[in-house]
Amino acid sequence: GQQLNQSPQSMFIQEGEDVSMNCTSSSIFNTWLWYKQDPGEGPVLLIALYKAGELTSNGRLTAQFGITRKDSFLNISASIPSDVGIYFCAGPLHNAGNMLTFGGGTRLMVKP
Amino acid sequence: EPEVTQTPSHQVTQMGQEVILRCVPISNHLYFYWYRQILGQKVEFLVSFYNNEISEKSEIFDDQFSVERPDGSNFTLKIRSTKLEDSAMYFCATAEETGWGSPLHFGNGTRLTVT
Repeated sequence: GQQLNQSPQSMFIQEGEDVSMNCTSSSIFNTWLWYKQDPGEGPVLLIALYKAGELTSNGRLTAQFGITRKDSFLNISASIPSDVGIYFCAGPLHNAGNMLTFGGGTRLMVKP
Repeated sequence: EPEVTQTPSHQVTQMGQEVILRCVPISNHLYFYWYRQILGQKVEFLVSFYNNEISEKSEIFDDQFSVERPDGSNFTLKIRSTKLEDSAMYFCATAEETGWGSPLHFGNGTRLTVT
């Protein structure tokens, strides 16, 4: 089946630093999604990417849909303590619809 | 902003017991999903539900699992005879449509602990 591999698994950074994480797949995805999960809560959609090569921003977050359609990265600029959480990439299981497969997540810890 | 509401937030049950997890979708949403997250692992798709029937289910969603929308508002996940390995966070998610113009909204989950 389609599997998404995220790296790094965890990051511990200083407040104000920029962060970069990525997600790769052995198969092609038509859509890439980035979610954030805060402790004790459900995932919340941050950015959705629909087109190969697309670069999309949401405030301090920027994500890109790789040209090969097999990877995506998420950057966070000038990190703040509330950026702490687990960041998941996700894509549609059958390249359509809302049945998603998720990556294993990148746990971000920010030191004030 | 409208929310997906799940109850209970935490359920402890003994192995072999039946549990029912409840979800109140956002009011104009028509597509409903259950996902599961075992502690420390990734979120996994269980089942999708539309127009009062299952649209798709994963290998995890075996005969011990069932879903229904008994009263037109609540959307429930039932596990008939719980096993230790069913311990996980269970997330309900809903969407207005099935395409990507309409992203999934997740609830805050029910933590199920099977002892």
